[in-house]
Amino acid sequence: GAVVSQHPSWVICKSGTSVKIECRSLDFQATTMFWYRQFPKQSLMLMATSNEGSKATYEQGVEKDKFLINHASLTLSTLTVTSAHPEDSSFYICSAIRLALAKNIQYFGAGTRLSVL
Amino acid sequence: AQKVTQAQTEISVVEKEDVTLDCVYETRDTTYYLFWYKQPPSGELVFLIRRNSFDEQNEISGRYSWNFQKSTSSFNFTITASQVVDSAVYFCALSPMYSGGGADGLTFGKGTHIIIHP
Repeated sequence: GAVVSQHPSWVICKSGTSVKIECRSLDFQATTMFWYRQFPKQSLMLMATSNEGSKATYEQGVEKDKFLINHASLTLSTLTVTSAHPEDSSFYICSAIRLALAKNIQYFGAGTRLSVL
Repeated sequence: AQKVTQAQTEISVVEKEDVTLDCVYETRDTTYYLFWYKQPPSGELVFLIRRNSFDEQNEISGRYSWNFQKSTSSFNFTITASQVVDSAVYFCALSPMYSGGGADGLTFGKGTHIIIHP
């Protein structure tokens, strides 16, 4: 099956610092990647849609200046949490759609657990 | 607006029992996809199935089966002869279907935690 790699899997940072999370499709090209956020024992909430070569589309209520998304290639999207604060602590998961194969089956990374002190 | 409801928060059974997870959805789209994903304790979401809105055939894959009923906007999932390894959180999800090939993010239900006891 399709493989999506997410790095790091766990990060602890001090309040006010920025954290970058990488999402890579390892064995396929992904024109579209998605970023989700999941609070403990909660559902996944879509944050933004990342399209290769264009600006990300953010869901209502998600601060685009806070959560910077870059999709520079067909295999890599990054999410940068800028000036992180404790309320940003969460589980962040990316997904990618396999180009020209099965439309809209999203393959997910293993997630990144962010803890902001 | 889209909405997915998984009314069961947690289900606990003994191994070998059957388990059925309910999923009810709301959408204004005439064509859409429905999904089930499994999230084990490790956190990674594992794709289980995708269904098109115009394909109401039930599907069986090993011990898994799915019952899609458009008339009741339901897409239920049954695990037959459950095993301890089936213990996980299961999410039902929904997205629009675009003829032009575009893709939207998924709308997830809140998930159902399945606990299988030996």
